[in-house]
Amino acid sequence: KQEVTQIPAALSVPEGENLVLNCSFTDSAIYNLQWFRQDPGKGLTSLLLIQSSQREQTSGRLNASLDKSSGRSTLYIAASQPGDSATYLCAVNTGNQFYFGTGTSLTVIP
Amino acid sequence: DAGITQSPRHKVTETGTPVTLRCHQTENHRYMYWYRQDPGHGLRLIHYSYGVKDTDKGEVSDGYSVSRSKTEDFLLTLESATSSQTSVYFCAISEQGTGGSYEQYFGPGTRLTVT
Repeated sequence: KQEVTQIPAALSVPEGENLVLNCSFTDSAIYNLQWFRQDPGKGLTSLLLIQSSQREQTSGRLNASLDKSSGRSTLYIAASQPGDSATYLCAVNTGNQFYFGTGTSLTVIP
Repeated sequence: DAGITQSPRHKVTETGTPVTLRCHQTENHRYMYWYRQDPGHGLRLIHYSYGVKDTDKGEVSDGYSVSRSKTEDFLLTLESATSSQTSVYFCAISEQGTGGSYEQYFGPGTRLTVT
């Protein structure tokens, strides 16, 4: 069974700092990995999708990398802003099913 | 935003009563999913559908049933609600994209409390 882990569970940084969120998975047989953002009491918003054949994807201040062989992905956030405060989740796709990590709660302090 | 709505958005019910949650999409995506989200567990898949009348179980399917009679609607039924089913329920949709990958889009969630 696929296990997805996100460490740390919570992170607090001052505004303007660059930061990295981590996601690891146990089975490298994945189709893709997706990063989501979740605000309190809200649904999940898709941030980036990396296909298994790709090494990274970028969207604005966000850059996600994937090392499938080692079972790791990182989400890099540049020049963090208070509006980036949210919970970030990663999910791996093994076909018709998705497995989620428990998320990293990010607080950006003004 | 993907056209996904869930109803009701909030519900309080008593133990032993049946409950049906509805997910409606306007994207004509083939795949639909029901998840529950609980503190410490993240999102866990309950059931999913890969077409009209085609469904399969997920990781935590006991006590839940689903139906999909139309592409746009996916219903989740708690046949006899228990307090352990108090949770936030999310519906998601996906479609196969380039390279065989599936990107998921989520609805706003339904907060269910079983007393």
